[in-house]
Amino acid sequence: GAVVSQHPSWVICKSGTSVKIECRSLDFQATTMFWYRQFPKQSLMLMATSNEGSKATYEQGVEKDKFLINHASLTLSTLTVTSAHPEDSSFYICSAKSGGSFNQPQHFGDGTRLSIL
Amino acid sequence: DQQVKQNSPSLSVQEGRISILNCDYTNSMFDYFLWYKKYPAEGPTFLISISSIKDKNEDGRFTVFLNKSAKHLSLHIVPSQPGDSAVYFCAAVTQGGSEKLVFGKGTKLTVNP
Repeated sequence: GAVVSQHPSWVICKSGTSVKIECRSLDFQATTMFWYRQFPKQSLMLMATSNEGSKATYEQGVEKDKFLINHASLTLSTLTVTSAHPEDSSFYICSAKSGGSFNQPQHFGDGTRLSIL
Repeated sequence: DQQVKQNSPSLSVQEGRISILNCDYTNSMFDYFLWYKKYPAEGPTFLISISSIKDKNEDGRFTVFLNKSAKHLSLHIVPSQPGDSAVYFCAAVTQGGSEKLVFGKGTKLTVNP
C-alpha cells in the first residue's frame, strides 16, 4: 500500500521549454503533497507543500512563478517548471501523506530527472 | 545551515554484522525523526521512525536510538544483509509545525557478502 507514482521519470528538453511533472497517490488519498529538489550529493530540499484545493506554500528562495504547483484532487499534484533553463536541471521528487495524523510518514515517488540543454 | 547531519557519506560492513548509521541534528524543536532507505533510480522508502518521547524503537532487524541530550540518533541494522545496500536518509520534523521534513545528505551503506 501507499504507492506514489511520479511521471515522467526522465525529461530532456531545450532551454525555454515548460515541463510538467505529475505526482499521483495510487492507493490512498493524499491530503498533503510535497515537492523536493535534490542536487548531486546533497540532501532533499523541500520546495513547496500543497494541500488539495488550496494554494501551495513555498519555501524561502523558491520562485512560485517559476515552479507552478497545482493540487487539484486528493490523488494528483503537478509541478510545472516554466521557461526552464540549464540551472533548473536537477532531480525533482514528490511525496504524499494521507490524513491529518502527524505520525503518518510521507511516501515518495521515484523522482524525475530533469535535464535542460 | 545543515540542521540534520549525516557525517559519514558511506559505510561498508560484512554480511551478518551490525550496521550503525548515525545522524545528528541541531534544531531542538525537532521532535519526530524518520529513516528512509533509497535504492538507485527509486524514491526514498520509509523505514522506521521515532518520537522524541522515546529513546528506542525497534522493528525487526531495524532499531533506531534517540539521544535527545546529545541531539543524536542512530539506526542499527542487525544482521546486515546484501539487500540492505542502499542510501539511508535521516529526516527530522517538528510536530505541530508545517510537517516540513528536513533531510540529511544520506549515508551509502554497502553490505558485502
